[in-house]
Amino acid sequence: QKEVEQNSGPLSVPEGAIASLNCTYSDRGSQSFFWYRQYSGKSPELIMFIYSNGDKEDGRFTAQLNKASQYVSLLIRDSQPSDSATYLCAVNNMKTSYDKVIFGPGTSLSVIP
Amino acid sequence: KAGVTQTPRYLIKTRGQQVTLSCSPISGHRSVSWYQQTPGQGLQFLFEYFSETQRNKGNFPGRFSGRQFSNSRSEMNVSTLELGDSALYLCASSLARTGRMNTEAFFGQGTRLTVV
Repeated sequence: QKEVEQNSGPLSVPEGAIASLNCTYSDRGSQSFFWYRQYSGKSPELIMFIYSNGDKEDGRFTAQLNKASQYVSLLIRDSQPSDSATYLCAVNNMKTSYDKVIFGPGTSLSVIP
Repeated sequence: KAGVTQTPRYLIKTRGQQVTLSCSPISGHRSVSWYQQTPGQGLQFLFEYFSETQRNKGNFPGRFSGRQFSNSRSEMNVSTLELGDSALYLCASSLARTGRMNTEAFFGQGTRLTVV
């Protein structure tokens, strides 16, 4: 089992719709969860992080964390064509004594005008 | 505040050569991680340095090595290059505070390495 898994997509949604991106992780001790966005040819940029169970909202983005199910998701409301990118889920891995951030393979999102 | 700086941005090398990539983290960040990104494998963790010590290492062969200097700048070296080493190499820095919280990583623009 891979440490962090995501649907590779591509996920296509129409402009204005809600895009739902999902991520599961294997290490139950993980405490920090991040969503990065990566445009083609660019480096990843952090868009949200979440530490506690529940929802965290930032503008059109909502991160949801369920530690019991080892599941984290990202919702993008009112999707725009500029949201078209690859979204990377990242989890800090607690198997060592120190921080180690593991990335999922990413989900490609395409927002259709 | 300056971001993470990676040099060079692009590099072309031939098989068998070696290469050194450089990363300057955000000022005050003591943790530097290196990743290899390829279309087929995604973002793969190479290693992480903190205060000049390698704390974590991914599943890469010994041809991949790195080091960190006292000013937190880091270098990554790949020896005996293979065609499969062609990739985008990304460096990320973070505060890595104690308590294992707040470990957001900020990425540099990457070095695009092509091995021919």
